[in-house]
Amino acid sequence: GENVEQHPSTLSVQEGDSAVIKCTYSDSASNYFPWYKQELGKRPQLIIDIRSNVGEKKDQRIAVTLNKTAKHFSLHITETQPEDSAVYFCAASLISGSARQLTFGSGTQLTVLP
Amino acid sequence: GAVVSQHPSRVICKSGTSVKIECRSLDFQATTMFWYRQFPKQSLMLMATSNEGSKATYEQGVEKDKFLINHASLTLSTLTVTSAHPEDSSFYICSALNPGRGEQYFGPGTRLTVT
Repeated sequence: GENVEQHPSTLSVQEGDSAVIKCTYSDSASNYFPWYKQELGKRPQLIIDIRSNVGEKKDQRIAVTLNKTAKHFSLHITETQPEDSAVYFCAASLISGSARQLTFGSGTQLTVLP
Repeated sequence: GAVVSQHPSRVICKSGTSVKIECRSLDFQATTMFWYRQFPKQSLMLMATSNEGSKATYEQGVEKDKFLINHASLTLSTLTVTSAHPEDSSFYICSALNPGRGEQYFGPGTRLTVT
């Protein structure tokens, strides 16, 4: 099955700096890669996703890049703000048919220092 | 994004009792829902895939007789933790797959504490 590794497990940045979180996956058939933000005690919120037919996607301060050959994808947050502090999870899935199981990375605790 | 509700948000029960958790997709029909368990400071671990009108598919190591899943309609899936033990205490989160878009949307989670 799919295996997703995520690094780093914790990340502290100064407000205004950029943050980068990286993930690798093992199943070359995976074609959908979402990123979730989870605040303490709350549900994971989808913040951005990318499909394997594109290499990069951007939404305001958040961008995701995908390298299919190397089987890794990254989340980039620019101009970080204290409210970006949360746990971020990457995931990988194969969109095929009706059941699309997500395999999650282990999470990154991002702390943005004011 | 789509709305998924989960009830109850918090439950405390005694060892040996059963607890039912409901997951509803409020604005789309979800033929597939997923149930996850999350321990403190850990990632989401998939427990089972719930398919409307058919039996759930359980992940390796998850006891199907202990974690009963029913997906009776396109908007409702339930997880019943039977004969709960303290080690079942965890954060249980469901998600619903929006077939039209392919994304999964998560419920707010249920904090289960077994005393």
